[in-house]
Amino acid sequence: GIQVEQSPPDLILQEGANSTLRCNFSDSVNNLQWFHQNPWGQLINLFYIPSGTKQNGRLSATTVATERYSLLYISSSQTTDSGVYFCAVEAMVGYQLTFGKGTKLSVIP
Amino acid sequence: NAGVTQTPKFRVLKTGQSMTLLCAQDMNHEYMYWYRQDPGMGLRLIHYSVGEGTTAKGEVPDGYNVSRLKKQNFLLGLESAAPSQTSVYFCASMTINTYEQYFGPGTRLTVT
Repeated sequence: GIQVEQSPPDLILQEGANSTLRCNFSDSVNNLQWFHQNPWGQLINLFYIPSGTKQNGRLSATTVATERYSLLYISSSQTTDSGVYFCAVEAMVGYQLTFGKGTKLSVIP
Repeated sequence: NAGVTQTPKFRVLKTGQSMTLLCAQDMNHEYMYWYRQDPGMGLRLIHYSVGEGTTAKGEVPDGYNVSRLKKQNFLLGLESAAPSQTSVYFCASMTINTYEQYFGPGTRLTVT
């Protein structure tokens, strides 16, 4: 099946700093999504981005499908950005998302 | 809209007991999913459904059964619980209009 690798596994930031999270995947995809799991366990969909670039406030994402990677940018980080960020992809055949193991982000005041 | 809800939020079972987890969504989504999340891992798909009356196996289906008798509900059953099924279970739904998955709050299950 398709493989999803996220880096870095852990990241500690000072409040106000910027960061880039990376997701590599092993095959062509129909669907790529970024999720944030907050410290209470709730999963929130951030972006549906199988290709191209999207922005939502301080967050933006870029997927280069031909090179099989996606990047999530967080600017001016806040303590509320803490949690785990997951990348999930759907291969060209099927309706299933395969998740990476996530990047755990800790933003300290 | 309540979005995606899960019942119960917490449960402790003894080995060999059975239980059913209920997922409900009020967004008229076609697709529904059950995942499990274990420490340090991403989410792994157990079963999914692309419409009322249909189900399919995901990555880790063994020991679980599912049913989707109504479009808004997706049930996950454990017939004979094992300690290896201790996990947090998430339900999600999706519409093919946006392909964005929306998650419930999770059910924390402990099997002793």
